[in-house]
Formats: sequence, structure tokens, C-alpha cells
Amino acid sequence: GAGVSQSPRYKVAKRGQDVALRCDPISGHVSLFWYQQALGQGPEFLTYFQNEAQLDKSGLPSDRFFAERPEGSVSTLKIQRTQQEDSAVYLCASSFNQGPSNEQFFGPGTRLTVL
Amino acid sequence: AQTVTQSQPEMSVQEAETVTLSCTYDTSENNYYLFWYKQPPSRQMILVIRQEAYKQQNATENRFSVNFQKAAKSFSLKISDSQLGDTAMYFCAFITDSNYQLIWGAGTKLIIKP
Repeated sequence: GAGVSQSPRYKVAKRGQDVALRCDPISGHVSLFWYQQALGQGPEFLTYFQNEAQLDKSGLPSDRFFAERPEGSVSTLKIQRTQQEDSAVYLCASSFNQGPSNEQFFGPGTRLTVL
Repeated sequence: AQTVTQSQPEMSVQEAETVTLSCTYDTSENNYYLFWYKQPPSRQMILVIRQEAYKQQNATENRFSVNFQKAAKSFSLKISDSQLGDTAMYFCAFITDSNYQLIWGAGTKLIIKP
């Protein structure tokens, strides 16, 4: 595809349910990032992958959050036992190589609402 | 702590006017990169302009330019000849050489009026 895609675009979950959010980065992009954007706020870093290696997961808010990128392309962010405070837009971004100066290309996000 | 402050929650200007969005940041690192991203309503985040901290010359991209004051840790965005399509949230962000975490401001909502 031409850009980063994310699915689903919208997800409503009942408190306590598990959810899985998918990110398809631009083909060939080495780096992949996940961000959480609360309503009216800027994004906050969650985790970073270089190919299949998760090099930084320091932004994950709790052990209920888990991310993987097993083959170095598609990534999944999983949230277990969702809580109301998990409601946010989850953004995925990818960049061509590993340098921090490289432009990150963003997907449209997944809006998660936890009831 | 590394932070970004955007002191203008919302701004509104007439089409064709020039507008400046302010941004200050804080980091103890010496090597870093600064960005302005644009998030149009219901659309995805896109890069507007990028500045390397080691470069003294201010970055320019067509109607968009920055005023980078390293000592003051200030990184403002100037939009000249503003257009209706410039209406969006604008986020200031930076990333250092020591990790891969983009640090973001809370954003400025810019409205261009016809």
C-alpha cells in the first residue's frame, strides 16, 4: 500500500475485554513506533521496533500492554483487561531506517473506546 | 525531564495572513532533531518541517519556515500566505540521538478563516 494502515479504525470494548490493534507499515520500513494520543493531547510514545526487535518498550503504561512484530513487518498492539483510562487513539508510525532524524509516517490511528 | 510546551491552545487568522505558532522545549541533550507535524481534522499526522539542532540555518519548506533559537530552546513555526487547507492541529516535537522517543507538545489548533 501507499501508506501506513491500521485496523480496526474504531473499536469499542467493554471494560475487562482484551483488544488487538493492527498496524501495517510502509513496505521496507525498518522502524515502527506505537503512540497513544488521549483526547485533546499530543501523542505519547509507547514502544519502538527495529525490524522484529522491540528495542524500547519503556512507554507502555502497564503490563496489560503488549506489542509484537514477529516478522519485522506487521505489528500488533494488544491490551489485556481494558480499563476506561485506556480510551484513546492509538497511532502507528514507520520510518525507512533506524536513525532518529528520519521522518515518521503515520497511520490514521485506531480510536479505542472502553465502556 | 524532556518536555515540549506549546502555549497557544488555539489560534485563528484570516486566509492569506501570516501566523506564527510558538514552541519551547527542554532537554539536556546536545544532539536532537525538531519537528512540526500537522494533523488535519479526521486525517493522519503528516510532517511539515524538520530542523537539525546542529544546523544554525533555519529550515524552510515553501510557505513554512521556522525560527530556531537553540540557546532559548525555542522552535516557532511561521506559515506565510495561509490557506484554508492549513486548518489543523499543529504539534511540535523533538527526538534525541540517545533514544527513539519523539517527545510531543499538546498541540495548537489553527483555524484559517475565509
